[in-house]
Amino acid sequence: RKEVEQDPGPFNVPEGATVAFNCTYSNSASQSFFWYRQDCRKEPKLLMSVYSSGNEDGRFTAQLNRASQYISLLIRDSKLSDSATYLCVVNMRGNTGKLIFGQGTTLQVKP
Amino acid sequence: DAGVIQSPRHEVTEMGQEVTLRCKPISGHNSLFWYRQTMMRGLELLIYFNNNVPIDDSGMPEDRFSAKMPNASFSTLKIQPSEPRDSAVYFCASNALGNSPLHFGNGTRLTVT
Repeated sequence: RKEVEQDPGPFNVPEGATVAFNCTYSNSASQSFFWYRQDCRKEPKLLMSVYSSGNEDGRFTAQLNRASQYISLLIRDSKLSDSATYLCVVNMRGNTGKLIFGQGTTLQVKP
Repeated sequence: DAGVIQSPRHEVTEMGQEVTLRCKPISGHNSLFWYRQTMMRGLELLIYFNNNVPIDDSGMPEDRFSAKMPNASFSTLKIQPSEPRDSAVYFCASNALGNSPLHFGNGTRLTVT
């Protein structure tokens, strides 16, 4: 089993749709979690951190479910500019910081 | 405020040649990571350092790969000899120790012919 797994997609949705991505992780001791966005031929950039109580940033909501070992990202009112690959990241080793990326989920928002 | 700086941006070389990739992390960051990205395998962690000390190199594919961090502001990833299957984008990233997010460089696109 991979340490961090995501459905690669692609997810093709119309503008205005709500879309959700999940990411599962194998190490129950993992301590911190993030969502990154990567545009074609660019470096990954931080979208948002994921907090235990869940957190929201505008149209984006991140959730953590420790019992089932997954994190999720919800995008509401999708925009064309949201088209990208979304990567989940899990810190597998606490303060020594072994940060492992999922394969990424590709989102294509269509007019 | 300078981000993570990688060089070169592009590298084209012939099989068997030595390749050296360079990285300058963000000043004040204690951890530095080297990742490799391909379509097939995604972003793979090769090695990471905390306070210039290698912590985990289990992702380094084989002995042809080596990485060093001689000081807090510089790291190298070396491939010797290079092979066509090493062709990928190599990213360097840094963060402050602890559970803080990564900041990436622009990457080095390596092509080995």
